[in-house]
Amino acid sequence: EAQVTQNPRYLITVTGKKLTVTCSQNMNHEYMSWYRQDPGLGLRQIYYSMNVEVTDKGDVPEGYKVSRKEKRNFPLILESPSPNQTSLYFCASSSFERGAFGSGELFFGEGSRLTVL
Amino acid sequence: AQSVTQPDIHITVSEGASLELRCNYSYGATPYLFWYVQSPGQGLQLLLKYFSGDTLVQGIKGFEAEFKRSQSSFNLRKPSVHWSDAAEYFCAVGAGNTGKLIFGQGTTLQVKP
Repeated sequence: EAQVTQNPRYLITVTGKKLTVTCSQNMNHEYMSWYRQDPGLGLRQIYYSMNVEVTDKGDVPEGYKVSRKEKRNFPLILESPSPNQTSLYFCASSSFERGAFGSGELFFGEGSRLTVL
Repeated sequence: AQSVTQPDIHITVSEGASLELRCNYSYGATPYLFWYVQSPGQGLQLLLKYFSGDTLVQGIKGFEAEFKRSQSSFNLRKPSVHWSDAAEYFCAVGAGNTGKLIFGQGTTLQVKP
């Protein structure tokens, strides 16, 4: 089954304690991206990756890091989480068959709800 | 810079009534345009997309959208809404092959019986 898998789905942590949210896709997609969703703000892009070892900043990259060492994995790292990073996070992937977004369909994970106290 | 505006935060329609959700975008070139739907507690699912060609695009679940370059709009429509359409709807614009994708703030659709 084609899917994007995020872990953990729910996490409560404390300020300053490093954490990693993993994202894995089994569709051999080149493109992967992280978003955060906050009420009234929609989804905002944090980082994206066009292929292995190629990453770039989205609109809200501050406080986050990513890496793309393998095609299937795109972890999101919060080195020193702060309460303003409390949010719902989505990972997504897509192919590049017809240009930037391939078929145009981003496949989303189920989301990771993070609370930073 | 790209931007997307969904003017309606919340819309309520009666089941069986028609629906139009508005989306306005700002982008210098021909954009890639998308509508996604998010059911409660779920990720997002693509409803339809516009890359080029026919400006009226058909999607899944009976939805359609029309690209109007002169108005910088990409409004989503459905002739007859079903209770299962209650969800949050997001319009998004992609900037060619840059990898950047900007979402609107979302419109929450409530369907009255």
